[in-house]
Amino acid sequence: DAKTTQPPSMDCAEGRAANLPCNHSTISGNEYVYWYRQIHSQGPQYIIHGLKNNETNEMASLIITEDRKSSTLILPHATLRDTAVYYCIVRVTGANSKLTFGKGITLSVRP
Amino acid sequence: DVKVTQSSRYLVKRTGEKVFLECVQDMDHENMFWYRQDPGLGLRLIYFSYDVKMKEKGDIPEGYSVSREKKERFSLILESASTNQTSMYLCASSFRREGQGISGANVLTFGAGSRLTVL
Repeated sequence: DAKTTQPPSMDCAEGRAANLPCNHSTISGNEYVYWYRQIHSQGPQYIIHGLKNNETNEMASLIITEDRKSSTLILPHATLRDTAVYYCIVRVTGANSKLTFGKGITLSVRP
Repeated sequence: DVKVTQSSRYLVKRTGEKVFLECVQDMDHENMFWYRQDPGLGLRLIYFSYDVKMKEKGDIPEGYSVSREKKERFSLILESASTNQTSMYLCASSFRREGQGISGANVLTFGAGSRLTVL
């Protein structure tokens, strides 16, 4: 699997957009980018995933660069409840796939 | 709306005891997983199962076994608990088949976790 690199932490102001970066320079053509988050004392929660095109759902937007070597998860209007550890994972999709979680990036949303 | 249920939120056991951690999902998922999470080490995969009665070792299976007798239930067993197994244990499930939207095998639904302390 391609390795991902995320800064250890970042913060943003409540109500502003949070842009969380992820580098995956060794990504191969059939690998997807997945984002999960883990709020303190809870299990991880799936957010979004994509292959090439930008993706948006009710939680976030995922922007993948044209060369696919990096991506950005965007929380358009961060709230205090978005304070969590966010994991960027690159993995092929397949029936027997299993995910490996790295250390993620800790997002702190300040009032 | 709870979809992956772990039987105990907190457990305290003694060294040498046999420990059962139970996980039940109601989404008809084929895949089920057990992870443990420790400070500074992140989530590590212990075992996973793609179908009833089948299991595969993850990255750290030593000291653990699993049982999957029914599709909805995946149990993690510590045959003889040790203090280094004190941890947060997380169960997850996913579809095995690939499809449209969010039904892929890498879209995991996690339980709330079971915090085990071994004294």
